Amino acid sequence: GAVVSQHPSWVICKSGTSVKIECRSLDFQATTMFWYRQFPKQSLMLMATSNEGSKATYEQGVEKDKFLINHASLTLSTLTVTSAHPEDSSFYICSALHTTSYEQYFGPGTRLTVT
Amino acid sequence: RKEVEQDPGPFNVPEGATVAFNCTYSNSASQSFFWYRQDCRKEPKLLMSVYSSGNEDGRFTAQLNRASQYISLLIRDSKLSDSATYLCVVGGFGNEKLTFGTGTRLTIIP
Repeated sequence: GAVVSQHPSWVICKSGTSVKIECRSLDFQATTMFWYRQFPKQSLMLMATSNEGSKATYEQGVEKDKFLINHASLTLSTLTVTSAHPEDSSFYICSALHTTSYEQYFGPGTRLTVT
Repeated sequence: RKEVEQDPGPFNVPEGATVAFNCTYSNSASQSFFWYRQDCRKEPKLLMSVYSSGNEDGRFTAQLNRASQYISLLIRDSKLSDSATYLCVVGGFGNEKLTFGTGTRLTIIP
């Protein structure tokens, strides 16, 4: 089956620093990838849609200058949390949209803790 | 009104019992419907897609009622391994974004 990886799986960083999270589709191409955030006991909330070779589309309330998304190839999208604050601590999950089946495959998630 | 609404539970059900979840969605233009399960601190995994004609996969049956804009999931002969959070998910056509419900927490009791 289709596999999506995320790296790192967990990260602890200090307030004010930036953190980059990678999302890779390992055995298929994905022109579209999605970034979600999930706070404890809440559902996944879509942050942005990442399209290969073009600018990401951000959901209302998500700051594009704070959450930088780059989708430079058909198998890799990155999310950079800039100037992280404790309230950015969350579970960040990406998904990749299979270009032929249109099924979304989810990565294992990255748990970010900002101290 | 939330785009996708679910009863958060928790549902505590004895092993072997049948349990049903419902979910309602607000966007009548929605085209795709799914049930995902999510284990604690893990990513969601697709359980099954939901079609208007209803579909069954082993012990799991999903139904869609477009007129009433609700989706259901029935689990028969529940197993301990069914304990998880079940997410109702609604999307548009093709590569449009998915909207997740808040999930229903299910615990199967031995």
